[in-house]
Amino acid sequence: AQTVTQSQPEMSVQEAETVTLSCTYDTSENNYYLFWYKQPPSRQMILVIRQEAYKQQNATENRFSVNFQKAAKSFSLKISDSQLGDTAMYFCAFMTPKTGANNLFFGTGTRLTVIP
Amino acid sequence: SQTIHQWPATLVQPVGSPLSLECTVEGTSNPNLYWYRQAAGRGLQLLFYSVGIGQISSEVPQNLSASRPQDRQFILSSKKLLLSDSGFYLCAWTFGVGSEAFFGQGTRLTVV
Repeated sequence: AQTVTQSQPEMSVQEAETVTLSCTYDTSENNYYLFWYKQPPSRQMILVIRQEAYKQQNATENRFSVNFQKAAKSFSLKISDSQLGDTAMYFCAFMTPKTGANNLFFGTGTRLTVIP
Repeated sequence: SQTIHQWPATLVQPVGSPLSLECTVEGTSNPNLYWYRQAAGRGLQLLFYSVGIGQISSEVPQNLSASRPQDRQFILSSKKLLLSDSGFYLCAWTFGVGSEAFFGQGTRLTVV
C-alpha cells in the first residue's frame, strides 16, 4: 500500500525567510508522481509543484523548489523569501499510475504560518 | 477551459438523514474523478475514485457510497448519516497519468 507521511503538523517562518516542509512516502512502484498542494484559508486546493519520479532533476517553480531523494523516498518542499500569502496548509501527494486509475494519495498536511 | 462544480457549499443534516453531494466537470471528457474527505485537523482521505461511467472503486469501506451516472458527474451519497460523517468533502478530477488534480470548492457537511 502507498502511504504519504508529513511529520510536521505545524510550522512557522518569518517573512522573507526560507522554510522547508518534509514529506516521505512508501511505495513499491518505480513509476510515480509527487505533488505539493497548498490549501489557503479559502479551502481551495492549489497545485504548488510537481515532480516525476523518473526525473532526477529537482522541480522548481519560482520561490518553490523540491528536494527529491528517490532512494530515501523523500520529497521536501522549500519555500524561499516567504510571503504572507504563503500562509496555508500544505499537502504532499503521491500518484501511481495503475491500470484503470490514477490513485492520488495525500499526507496529513503541514500548517504553515508566515509571521510578519 | 475545464471547470469543476461542486454543491452545495455547506450542509447541515440530522443524524439518520440521507445525503447527496454532486460534482460535475466541464470542458473535458472521460476524466478520472475522486471524492475526498478532510476531517478537522486531518489530511485528505481518499473515499472513492472512478475511471468511467458506472466504475467506482472504494478506498475506505464506510457509510458512504458513490455513483457516476454520466461521464462528467460524480455523486456521493449516504442512506443514513452518522455524526462521524461530518467533515469537508472535496471532489477532484485528473485527465491522465501524472496529471495535476483540479479540485472543487468543497462542501462542509455538519451532521447534528
